[in-house]
Parts: sequence; C-alpha cells; structure tokens
Amino acid sequence: TQLLEQSPQFLSIQEGENLTVYCNSSSVFSSLQWYRQEPGEGPVLLVTVVTGGEVKKLKRLTFQFGDARKDSSLHITAAQPGDTGLYLCAGLPFWDTGNQFYFGTGTSLTVIP
Amino acid sequence: NAGVTQTPKFQVLKTGQSMTLQCAQDMNHEYMSWYRQDPGMGLRLIHYSVGAGITDQGEVPNGYNVSRSTTEDFPLRLLSAAPSQTSVYFCASSYTWASGTDEQFFGPGTRLTVL
Repeated sequence: TQLLEQSPQFLSIQEGENLTVYCNSSSVFSSLQWYRQEPGEGPVLLVTVVTGGEVKKLKRLTFQFGDARKDSSLHITAAQPGDTGLYLCAGLPFWDTGNQFYFGTGTSLTVIP
Repeated sequence: NAGVTQTPKFQVLKTGQSMTLQCAQDMNHEYMSWYRQDPGMGLRLIHYSVGAGITDQGEVPNGYNVSRSTTEDFPLRLLSAAPSQTSVYFCASSYTWASGTDEQFFGPGTRLTVL
C-alpha cells in the first residue's frame, strides 16, 4: 500500500477541458509538492504547499492542500497538449523523523488536440 | 551548470552481475537521493545522503549500496542484480533538507533491465 494514493491513475481528455487530480493519504504531512514528468525525463517541481487549506495558482494550474494536511488536489483549467505528462505528488509526513520524501502513485494525463 | 547527470542512460545486466550507476551534481547541494520508478508505483526512495560521508536507507534499500565521499558524487551500486531490480532509476539533489520544502532536481534517469 502506497502512503500517497493518486486518482485517477490515467486520464485522457480533449484540449480545452478542465480536470482535477487527487492525492490522498491517511497520514498528516508537513509539506507536499507536485511534480510533472515528461517521457524519458526526470520529474520537475511545479509547486510546494505547506499550510493546511493553502491554495496556490500557477497560470492555469490550481493546487490546494487539504485543511487536515492529508490530501491535495491539482486542477487544470482549459487543458492544452503541453500539459500532457505524469503528475506526481510527494510529501514529507510528520511521523518520519528522517529525511524521506514519499511519492504518490502518479496520474498520467494525455490531452488530445 | 549541468545540473544532475546520470550515467549510463540504458543498461542490460544478467542476473547476478554487479554494476554501479553514477550520479553527479554541480550545484553544491547537500542532499542527494536515489529513487526507482516502477509502473503504477510512483517513485520509491532507495537511499539518501544529507552530506558527504553521511548516508541512510530509504523505503526500498535491499540489494543496493551507496557511498558519498564528495559533495558532488553519489553512486548507487547493485551488488548482485535480480530481475526484480528492472526499473528506471533517478538520482536527485536539493540544496538542503532542513525544511523538507526544497526543490529536488532530478537527473534524466537510467533504464535498467535485468535478464
């Protein structure tokens, strides 16, 4: 069982549609990050959220950290083909006294022109 | 800056062989880590280091060794390759780990197949 579960696992939509990706856990996180990974490359950081209820916007992408700091969502407005990729959430749980970041299971997004 | 570099990009091994995956960064980052990526499982941490001479185990350390003799380099050694180690391996680095919010910079990955 993964610490961070993402849904949906796969998503294929038409250009211009809106979508939301979810990242859920039963653990509380001190911080949570979202990365995007394109085929054949490493993940690239999109955003970091640290406060419960925090909302951050990055152009057409809106990120929200749950009030209880156990979940997060990524909403994309008017998706474009350039948004295609694997979206990964990653977090630092409060109970981990080491320095270990846990990644989610990933959501593979395809935006069809 | 080259960022995080990894070699080789592709590798095929036979069961029982050993090899070293190389990782280097030129950003003077304290924190370095190795992940493996398997379908449907995201990235899982193998080993990490918070500075030269300091390493620790991650979520899936069995079958792998690491060392950190310099700030720049963080090689990952497979002691006796097994088919279960077939995966894509990513090295990452970040400036510090003090807050857990630092951006991790990833290398391009090494695609390993064990026959």
